[in-house]
This record gives sequence, C-alpha cells and structure tokens, in this order.
Amino acid sequence: GAVVSQHPSWVICKSGTSVKIECRSLDFQATTMFWYRQFPKQSLMLMATSNEGSKATYEQGVEKDKFLINHASLTLSTLTVTSAHPEDSSFYICSARGLAGEGLPGELFFGEGSRLTVL
Amino acid sequence: GNSVTQMEGPVTLSEEAFLTINCTYTATGYPSLFWYVQYPGEGLQLLLKATKADDKGSNKGFEATYRKETTSFHLEKGSVQVSDSAVYFCALPNQAGTALIFGKGTTLSVSS
Repeated sequence: GAVVSQHPSWVICKSGTSVKIECRSLDFQATTMFWYRQFPKQSLMLMATSNEGSKATYEQGVEKDKFLINHASLTLSTLTVTSAHPEDSSFYICSARGLAGEGLPGELFFGEGSRLTVL
Repeated sequence: GNSVTQMEGPVTLSEEAFLTINCTYTATGYPSLFWYVQYPGEGLQLLLKATKADDKGSNKGFEATYRKETTSFHLEKGSVQVSDSAVYFCALPNQAGTALIFGKGTTLSVSS
C-alpha cells in the first residue's frame, strides 16, 4: 500500500522552543493531509485538515497560532508546534489521502507518528 | 454528528482463543466502516473495511460485518496469534466525509 513517513519519530525540546514535524507521502501525491493527536490510552483526535496550496482547517479547540500547518506540496505537510509547553507533549500522527483513485473513499494512509516531549 | 464507541481494553487472550472486539456507531446514512490496527512501534494501518450494510470485511483472519440493524461492526478472529498483539481502532468518516473519527482503541495482548 501507499507509504506515509513522518520525521522525526522522537523529539525532545525545551519549553518555549518550536518544533517542526514533517509528513511525507513517499509513493503517491496527497491532496489532503490530516494531523491527529493521540494521548496515552485515548483515541486519535483530529487537529486539522490541510489541503495542498491552501490554509489548513482546524478543529474546534485547536489553536491555529500554536500549531502551524503548512502543506506546500503534494507530498509534504509540516506541523510546527510553536512555543512548546509540557502540556503539548503527545503523539502526533499524520495521515494522507491520495488523489482520486488512490485508496477508497475514507481510506487514509498513516505515518508512524512523532512523539514530542517538552521538558 | 457521527461517532463510534468501542469496548474498553485491554483484552488479554491465550494463543488460539476466539477474539471479539465490539464497535458500535452513530451516523447519518450508511458510511463506510473501518478497523485500523497499530502494532507496537508502528503507525496505524488499515486492517479491513466495509462500504455498505451487510458487507463483511476480512483480512489476515479477521472479520467484521456491517450490521445496520444493530449499528455495529464488531471485529472477530477465530484463533488469535501472539503476533496479533496490537491496538485496534474502529473508525468511520465524519458527517462531512472529510476525515475519519476513531474509537478509543482496544489493546489486545496475546500470550503463548
């Protein structure tokens, strides 16, 4: 199946710094990418939806100035956690939907996830 | 809006035992339903899906039937293996069809 890769898989940063997480679709073009956040023993919570070349759509309660999302190309989306604080520590997962014909409606391809720890 | 509820875990089984993980949903219409699996240290991957009522999705010995009467999509496997140890998520599209909504996940631990 299609491959989505995230980098870095682990990151530790100091409080107040910014961290960028990359999400790449390796063998297909992703018109839409999604960013989820997963807390321990909880479900994935959708943070935002990004479409290539346009602004991301954020879910209610997600601070757009805190979590900057850029989807500059059909194979790359980035999530930047700005001025990170310990409560931002979490597992961030991206997923991608291909162009029409790549995967059934609603089928997503997921990255491995990025664990952020803010000290 | 659409939502999904799956049984709390963890589920602990011996090898070759029968597995059922319950999933029920609330939705407008009849959306596609999915089971995703997350093996230790890996990303989520699609396990199986059903796109309409009464469909049965199957993969790797797992099965789930889309039952609109009971709004359920329970995951079953007749004989689990140690390698099936993972977290299983039931999912369906949101009402707008723009993203997936996931259940809380059920951790399965299989011992030999």
